[in-house]
Amino acid sequence: QVQLQESGPGLVKPSQTLSLTCTVSGGSISSGGYYWSWIRQHPGKGLEWIGYIYYSGSTYYNPSLKSRVTISVDTSKNQFSLKLSSVTAADTAVYYCARAYSSSWYFRYWGQGTLVTVSS
Amino acid sequence: QSALTQPASVSGSPGQSITISCTGTSSDVGSYNLVSWYQQHPGKAPKLMIYEVSKRPSGVSNRFSGSKSGNTASLTISGLQAEDEADYYCCSYAGSQFGGGTKLTVL
Repeated sequence: QVQLQESGPGLVKPSQTLSLTCTVSGGSISSGGYYWSWIRQHPGKGLEWIGYIYYSGSTYYNPSLKSRVTISVDTSKNQFSLKLSSVTAADTAVYYCARAYSSSWYFRYWGQGTLVTVSS
Repeated sequence: QSALTQPASVSGSPGQSITISCTGTSSDVGSYNLVSWYQQHPGKAPKLMIYEVSKRPSGVSNRFSGSKSGNTASLTISGLQAEDEADYYCCSYAGSQFGGGTKLTVL
């Protein structure tokens, strides 16, 4: 059973960089066949896909966030990470990591989510 | 604004059936049989209910079914139960967008 767990600061100051890590257990990021993704949900709102990374390091980002987003992978630790720069209050959200099956684009496994608040 | 359009809310009584629509375009829903549906209860992570338009993951009740016609995909829940009350989101390959979500109320 694959499990994903987000970790990182719950409070970030405006203009700073939000950094989160997703630790994967029960499966190897290096096995291929999956897009390791970040998705967020603003309070009381819908889901917004942020981007994904393949184990090889190939990335694809939501065009609306592309200029501020970096997703990286550390296969030795079986982790992938999200950095979102120049944050504002509008980036306050629950951030989820999830695994998408690359050939079918569906998210079978999700982390529990972590609330990140942007405030001074 | 979501690329995929869902009704904001639907409701039904226990035992009834309801259908939630997800309308995209000929570039996403209409071109690929890669529509998935997610159920989300308050404070919980989304749960995959349907993938590839109509396939159910193991462990998901057969009361949940999916279909597609043209640019519109649909999720049908039959034999409504109180536990089905949740938010539902569709997602389609191409554009990497989720629908805006539909709140299901079981009356």
